Amino acid sequence: GQNIDQPTEMTATEGAIVQINCTYQTSGFNGLFWYQQHAGEAPTFLSYNVLDGLEEKGRFSSFLSRSKGYSYLLLKELQMKDSASYLCAVRDSNYQLIWGAGTKLIIKP
Amino acid sequence: GAVVSQHPSWVICKSGTSVKIECRSLDFQATTMFWYRQFPKQSLMLMATSNEGSKATYEQGVEKDKFLINHASLTLSTLTVTSAHPEDSSFYICSAKTSGDYNEQFFGPGTRLTVL
Repeated sequence: GQNIDQPTEMTATEGAIVQINCTYQTSGFNGLFWYQQHAGEAPTFLSYNVLDGLEEKGRFSSFLSRSKGYSYLLLKELQMKDSASYLCAVRDSNYQLIWGAGTKLIIKP
Repeated sequence: GAVVSQHPSWVICKSGTSVKIECRSLDFQATTMFWYRQFPKQSLMLMATSNEGSKATYEQGVEKDKFLINHASLTLSTLTVTSAHPEDSSFYICSAKTSGDYNEQFFGPGTRLTVL
């Protein structure tokens, strides 16, 4: 079957750095997405990786290793507004998005 | 970026009634639209995929006669929850994408349905 694993919850301090990991086992691979979702709202796109390596976009970076079935989202200079759930999703061979359960990130002052 | 709207943003209805949710791509043509539902503290669950002008493809376990999907144009898809029951109460989110190799899904803001 297809499976996406990410931690259920993480806590970090304002101004610090946090890394959210995602491992996947899917039938085919056509890219990995990270989304941010605040409570009661729809997800918003953060990043897309299809090749191995690090993609940096401001305070957020995303890394992919296809051989290991592994990705992480790195958030720097954490702000209180970064408190949200972070969803990892993989696009499979049928171009369907397979979603992880999300990681709830709690930022403390 | 591309904008997807949903209407209504929230709705409360009585058990046994039907509710229609609209999903519109405002500044692009969406060849494919997806409908998801999300229960509290859970991830998105894909309900169905619809391509413009053809019948929707439903995921296993989703009743196509209960969740009617229409994708009549490149900018509009509708989800109708027929004979709604309290267990249908959920957060329904649509997303839309264009054709192409890198075709990010753009999400609507979601519709919160409460069935009394």
